[in-house]
Amino acid sequence: AAGVIQSPRHLIKEKRETATLKCYPIPRHDTVYWYQQGPGQDPQFLISFYEKMQSDKGSIPDRFSAQQFSDYHSELNMSSLELGDSALYFCASSSWTGYTGELFFGEGSRLTVL
Amino acid sequence: GNSVTQMEGPVTLSEEAFLTINCTYTATGYPSLFWYVQYPGEGLQLLLKATKADDKGSNKGFEATYRKETTSFHLEKGSVQVSDSAVYFCALSETSGGSNYKLTFGKGTLLTVNP
Repeated sequence: AAGVIQSPRHLIKEKRETATLKCYPIPRHDTVYWYQQGPGQDPQFLISFYEKMQSDKGSIPDRFSAQQFSDYHSELNMSSLELGDSALYFCASSSWTGYTGELFFGEGSRLTVL
Repeated sequence: GNSVTQMEGPVTLSEEAFLTINCTYTATGYPSLFWYVQYPGEGLQLLLKATKADDKGSNKGFEATYRKETTSFHLEKGSVQVSDSAVYFCALSETSGGSNYKLTFGKGTLLTVNP
């Protein structure tokens, strides 16, 4: 079965640079979520989109922005990168139809800021 | 707001030992409850879930029962294997408005099983 696809899997950037992460949800899933997991930490909710509109916002820095496109894929844009942005970024998707609260996660994109 | 508190690790067991990882939650409504597992260097995988009180989720020998009266969802396995070594996250899902849901995670418990 198709899963959530994230790219790139690994990314290395310098401080103050910009990074873009991409997420392709499971087909027919209409909601996308972004989570950030620092080293040894639990995943923290950043932002979510339902039917291409932002539906909820968590602890996302102002330097970050995200959107969901017409094909339901989503991109997380991170600017003015800081060392503390080094983390594993997860995308997850779900479907409103028959929803039971389960999110399906991608394998994550590991960002390292030097 | 919603929160999940789970047993702090790390937990180290010998193969075939009994495992319990405690998880309690605070929520304003009626959340769904989950256990996710993260193997070293990998993403989050759903281990089991329960969507209403008294439901029991089970998978790969792991079980957890949704206890509304004690707001708990403890994870158990009768006989662990080396391959069960991973970080286990308890999580709850509740609507955050409209059709949107999001997961709130516990801090995670690192389990190491030795042969």
